[in-house]
Amino acid sequence: NAGVTQTPKFQVLKTGQSMTLQCAQDMNHEYMSWYRQDPGMGLRLIHYSVGAGITDQGEVPNGYNVSRSTTEDFPLRLLSAAPSQTSVYFCASSLGLARDNHNEQFFGPGTRLTVL
Amino acid sequence: SQQGEEDPQALSIQEGENATMNCSYKTSINNLQWYRQNSGRGLVHLILIRSNEREKHSGRLRVTLDTSKKSSSLLITASRAADTASYFCLSSNTGKLIFGQGTTLQVKP
Repeated sequence: NAGVTQTPKFQVLKTGQSMTLQCAQDMNHEYMSWYRQDPGMGLRLIHYSVGAGITDQGEVPNGYNVSRSTTEDFPLRLLSAAPSQTSVYFCASSLGLARDNHNEQFFGPGTRLTVL
Repeated sequence: SQQGEEDPQALSIQEGENATMNCSYKTSINNLQWYRQNSGRGLVHLILIRSNEREKHSGRLRVTLDTSKKSSSLLITASRAADTASYFCLSSNTGKLIFGQGTTLQVKP
């Protein structure tokens, strides 16, 4: 198993550009999520999905869109990049949740994004 | 902010010493997890403690949970230089996973 994969590893954008960060997992996990990590801020939840066709907002969803058309893929779209979105982005997945009983999260290696 | 809090924010110890870091969270939970992050890398799961457990051990790790105080602690015994990393607690709130802000541990050889 490849686990959780993310592409690209690095990306530089200009303000106003759009792009999609890719995330895929091959473990048949139901739950997938996106986080951003900024210095001194820990990881903050952007969006999450409890299964194909279902997504919901996390703590910092503004400026980002997600979709979950398949169990394996959970892309994160930046609609109009801003310097405030410069960050490291992590995708994670887990088996699922039963009555809010979360399992171990498996993380991808991250995407380092710079917006000029 | 929904984030949990961890303290200390930074901890520097000598190899062989014990390291203790604490986490407080804001809502009721079913379980609490601890993760380690080496510089610039993804997070790795260390241990999970359920809300009906008070203490759990895994190798050199000992985790305690006090649901009445909404707090947890992670103890690393006999620390090694390879334990140098950032450590995060993770709690869940109706489907949202909330990380603490992390403790950066430096273990000096």
